[in-house]
Amino acid sequence: DAMVIQNPRYQVTQFGKPVTLSCSQTLNHNVMYWYQQKSSQAPKLLFHYYDKDFNNEADTPDNFQSRRPNTSFCFLDIRSPGLGDAAMYLCATRTIGAPTEAFFGQGTRLTVV
Amino acid sequence: GENVEQHPSTLSVQEGDSAVIKCTYSDSASNYFPWYKQELGKRPQLIIDIRSNVGEKKDQRIAVTLNKTAKHFSLHITETQPEDSAVYFCAASLPRRTGGYQKVTFGTGTKLQVIP
Repeated sequence: DAMVIQNPRYQVTQFGKPVTLSCSQTLNHNVMYWYQQKSSQAPKLLFHYYDKDFNNEADTPDNFQSRRPNTSFCFLDIRSPGLGDAAMYLCATRTIGAPTEAFFGQGTRLTVV
Repeated sequence: GENVEQHPSTLSVQEGDSAVIKCTYSDSASNYFPWYKQELGKRPQLIIDIRSNVGEKKDQRIAVTLNKTAKHFSLHITETQPEDSAVYFCAASLPRRTGGYQKVTFGTGTKLQVIP
């Protein structure tokens, strides 16, 4: 059964039109991450939550924001998508305590037209 | 912040040969080093991991070694098979700090091709 679920799998949005990507988890993990992955590149961390404690990476554009209303759900909002924001967006979760793996969702592939 | 470098960027091996991928990290506080395999269009999936208190770990055809002094770790795949073809990412994770988080930084990836 899927433990980290991202919706939708594919999203097409217009240049400048706000878009929201969603992630849900059934693992009850405290930590949730959002990564951006462009073709042939490594996943790049945008931000992450430890419970409701939000941690933004220094080089994450202001155009990207996130919300985590509860443990299970996390959203990535792109306020004004540009062509350069087309990418795969990966959500991951992780428990705390002794270091363990991060579990990834299937990703949402965003196309900007 | 943590910086993870990975080499080579591409690797082609004949089926049955071994493949070795190497990574270095910058922050000596990192304490957890996972390796992920990512097939085209799919999510990264953990294949093996190692914690900083261990020097080597093996799981069937896959092994990982860690040299904390030199700050590098390596993935070894023996008896490679065509289904091992994928992109492999190393990663390093910093321990929880005050305020609490465990940041995971990825290497640049290695595209492994196993030639039948």
